[in-house]
Amino acid sequence: NAGVTQTPKFQVLKTGQSMTLQCAQDMNHEYMSWYRQDPGMGLRLIHYSVGAGITDQGEVPNGYNVSRSTTEDFPLRLLSAAPSQTSVYFCASSFDRVPENEQYFGPGTRLTVT
Amino acid sequence: KNQVEQSPQSLIILEGKNCTLQCNYTVSPFSNLRWYKQDTGRGPVSLTIMTFSENTKSNGRYTATLDADTKQSSLHITASQLSDSASYICVVSVVPSNYKLTFGKGTLLTVNP
Repeated sequence: NAGVTQTPKFQVLKTGQSMTLQCAQDMNHEYMSWYRQDPGMGLRLIHYSVGAGITDQGEVPNGYNVSRSTTEDFPLRLLSAAPSQTSVYFCASSFDRVPENEQYFGPGTRLTVT
Repeated sequence: KNQVEQSPQSLIILEGKNCTLQCNYTVSPFSNLRWYKQDTGRGPVSLTIMTFSENTKSNGRYTATLDADTKQSSLHITASQLSDSASYICVVSVVPSNYKLTFGKGTLLTVNP
C-alpha cells in the first residue's frame, strides 16, 4: 500500500497561473479531503468528497475547484493563483462508515505563488 | 465559535525526560478528540482518537487523557526520544465524521540529546 500520495512535492507559480495538485489513495477510502496549512494556524479544510461524483465545500473553498471521478483520485485545481494561496497543501482520506475513523494524510505539496 | 487551544506553543526537553502537552477546546457538540504527530515536512499521523466516553488512551509511549466535563485533554510522552521531535496537533470533531474537524495550532516539541 502506498497510502496517500501527492504530486508535486514543491511548486512555484506566478500570479494568475493555473495548476492542479494531484492526490491519490489506494486504500479504497470513500472520504477524501484537501487542507491547507499556514504558519501560526491550524489546518483548514478546503474541499471534501464522500465518494465518486460527490464533493462539497469546506471552510476556505474560494479560489479552488475539485472533482472526484474515481474513488482513488481527488485533484485540487487552482484556476488563477494568488499570493494568498501560498501554503502547504495536504490531502487526506479515510473510511466514511465508522464514527471514529482515522484520517490518513499525504506528504503535502508546498506551493509558492509570486 | 469552535476553538481548540494548545499549550505550550513550544517546548524543549532533554532526551529521556517526560512531558505533557495540553489542549483546551470549546467545540460543541463534541464527538471525539484526536492527537496527531507531524514531523517537519510531512503530513500529520494519528496517535490517538478518543470519544467523549473515554478518559484515557495509550499508543506506546504516548498517553492521551480526556476530561469532557472541563473540555481538556493532555498528551503525555514518556521517556522521550530524539524522534519525538515534532509538532503535536490536537483536533476536535463536532460530529462522528471527518467533515467538521477543528484543528489546534500545535505544540512544537524539541527533544535534545
